[in-house]
Amino acid sequence: GAVVSQHPSWVICKSGTSVKIECRSLDFQATTMFWYRQFPKQSLMLMATSNEGSKATYEQGVEKDKFLINHASLTLSTLTVTSAHPEDSSFYICSARGGSQNTEAFFGQGTRLTVV
Amino acid sequence: ELKVEQNPLFLSMQEGKNYTIYCNYSTTSDRLYWYRQDPGKSLESLFVLLSNGAVKQEGRLMASLDTKARLSTLHITAAVHDLSATYFCAVDDRDSNYQLIWGAGTKLIIKP
Repeated sequence: GAVVSQHPSWVICKSGTSVKIECRSLDFQATTMFWYRQFPKQSLMLMATSNEGSKATYEQGVEKDKFLINHASLTLSTLTVTSAHPEDSSFYICSARGGSQNTEAFFGQGTRLTVV
Repeated sequence: ELKVEQNPLFLSMQEGKNYTIYCNYSTTSDRLYWYRQDPGKSLESLFVLLSNGAVKQEGRLMASLDTKARLSTLHITAAVHDLSATYFCAVDDRDSNYQLIWGAGTKLIIKP
């Protein structure tokens, strides 16, 4: 399968600071990228969908001003958690899909964010 | 609204035994996926099932799809400890930009 690289794999930050997570498709052009959040012992929760060059579409209940998503190129999307609080601590996973809508999406390695 | 139900949510079994995880979905979908997740890790793709009657096998895992019943199964044969993980099924939602709709996951513990 195609390779999606997500960095960092883990990050600890202080409350009030911002953290940027990168998601790169290494061997294909990602027309669509998805950002998920996963709480302990739960399934994945879709936060937003981004198409290259367009504004991200956020799921209901996700604050777009807090979770800034940029998909400026066909190989890179970033998620910035702004003014982080301890309740933002979670596991964040990106996935990327190339080509048409009904092609398989591939997952990054995930980022464990801890806000102290 | 497309919904995915997975059961059981938790399964503890002995090595050497066989068991099946079930995944039901509520409306037509083009594609069904099975993933494995180890603690603290991201998702590992196991199977992609595209058509009715599709059956795929990898080692001790076998997945099948019945699109008429809207049911997929993940069968574990002669389980070994290394298969302990959480298993998720997911389906494409053609009405929502083909985003994935996820099952709740099955935590599988295989005891020696």
